[in-house]
Amino acid sequence: KAGVTQTPRYLIKTRGQQVTLSCSPISGHRSVSWYQQTPGQGLQFLFEYFSETQRNKGNFPGRFSGRQFSNSRSEMNVSTLELGDSALYLCASSPGWGVDNSPLHFGNGTRLTVT
Amino acid sequence: EDKVVQSPLSLVVHEGDTVTLNCSYEVTNFRSLLWYKQEKKAPTFLFMLTSSGIEKKSGRLSSILDKKELSSILNITATQTGDSAIYLCAVVVGGAQKLVFGQGTRLTINP
Repeated sequence: KAGVTQTPRYLIKTRGQQVTLSCSPISGHRSVSWYQQTPGQGLQFLFEYFSETQRNKGNFPGRFSGRQFSNSRSEMNVSTLELGDSALYLCASSPGWGVDNSPLHFGNGTRLTVT
Repeated sequence: EDKVVQSPLSLVVHEGDTVTLNCSYEVTNFRSLLWYKQEKKAPTFLFMLTSSGIEKKSGRLSSILDKKELSSILNITATQTGDSAIYLCAVVVGGAQKLVFGQGTRLTINP
C-alpha cells in the first residue's frame, strides 16, 4: 500500500508570492491533517479535513488555507508568503475522523523556503 | 494553552546503553498520547497510549503512561546506531485529529 504522498518535495518562493502544496492520503484514508515543522516551534497543527469539510483549525493566520477533494486528496495554500513561513509542511492521514482509533501516518513533507 | 514538554532535548549515548525519554503534558481534554520517531522527514508511529499504567512494548522499545503525573516515558534498551533520530511525543486533544507535539528529543547513538 502506498504511503502518504506529498508534492512537491521542495519549493523555493519569494516573499509576497503564494504557494499550493498537495497531499494524497493512503488509499482508503478519509482524514487528512496538515502540520508545520520549524526548528524553533517544532510541529504545529494547521488544520484537518474529513469528507471535504474542515473539522478543526490551528492558530495560524488566514493566509493559510486548505481544502479536501472528494477523493480525499488535499491541498493547502499559503498566500502572501513571509520569510517565517519557511518550514517543512507535513501532511498526515488516517482512516476515519479522530485519531483515537488509529494513529496518523505522515508523508515526507514539502520543504518550503521563502527568500 | 495546551502544552507538551519533552526532556532531555538532546541526548548522546554509546551503542548498547539504555535510554529513557520523558514527556509531560498539560492539556484541556486529554484523549491519548503518541510517540513518533523522525529520522529524515516523515515521523513514523511508535506507540499510542490511552490507559494509565499499561506498558506498550515493541522489541527494544517500550512506553508507559502515567495519567496521575500527566507524563509518559519511552525506554530504549540495548541502543543501536539506527535508533539515532528525533523522538516526538504528541497528545491528542479533544476528539479530533489535533495533535499537540513536544519539541522532540534528539537522540544520537555513537558506535
